[in-house]
Amino acid sequence: AQSVTQPDIHITVSEGASLELRCNYSYGATPYLFWYVQSPGQGLQLLLKYFSGDTLVQGIKGFEAEFKRSQSSFNLRKPSVHWSDAAEYFCAVGPYSGGYNKLIFGAGTRLAVHP
Amino acid sequence: GAVVSQHPSWVICKSGTSVKIECRSLDFQATTMFWYRQFPKQSLMLMATSNEGSKATYEQGVEKDKFLINHASLTLSTLTVTSAHPEDSSFYICSPLFGGEGRKTQYFGPGTRLLVL
Repeated sequence: AQSVTQPDIHITVSEGASLELRCNYSYGATPYLFWYVQSPGQGLQLLLKYFSGDTLVQGIKGFEAEFKRSQSSFNLRKPSVHWSDAAEYFCAVGPYSGGYNKLIFGAGTRLAVHP
Repeated sequence: GAVVSQHPSWVICKSGTSVKIECRSLDFQATTMFWYRQFPKQSLMLMATSNEGSKATYEQGVEKDKFLINHASLTLSTLTVTSAHPEDSSFYICSPLFGGEGRKTQYFGPGTRLLVL
């Protein structure tokens, strides 16, 4: 069955430190991959997406993610975290099989940023 | 681009009343709309999928007569919680689908917080 795993439920980093949020997926074919961010009481904002091509994807707010097929991973990175990055981050897979299907979400990673 | 609005942003109602939530895609047209609910500190749970002009498809365990979805146009979808009860209190988020073949992306509304007393 298709699934998305975000191994880290909570992560705390200091402001200015680098960040990597892990995401692993299980899917029979090449998936379409997404990262979303959710601030408290808000909807989800798309950070970046991967459909094909260059496996290193640049997104908004200084985030990037790298698709590694051999590891079934799509980890999110940021070189220097800002206090405003504190939020919940969701990795998602959009399976395609002859048409669009629903997103499969990971459980999310809550990021806290220390000043 | 890909701006989604929801109205109201929060609503408090008495048990037994019905509540309508509107979702609009402001700068694009969406033939497919997803509706989610989210409980505190949890991931999103898909409730239903609707295509413009068609009946919605509900996920297992979601009562279609309780959560009425109308996707009457390419820019507007509504979710009506009928005869709301306290257990329906939650955060509801709509998500229209945008993009051409091979590049479809879900965008999300800001959410509606419902509190049923």
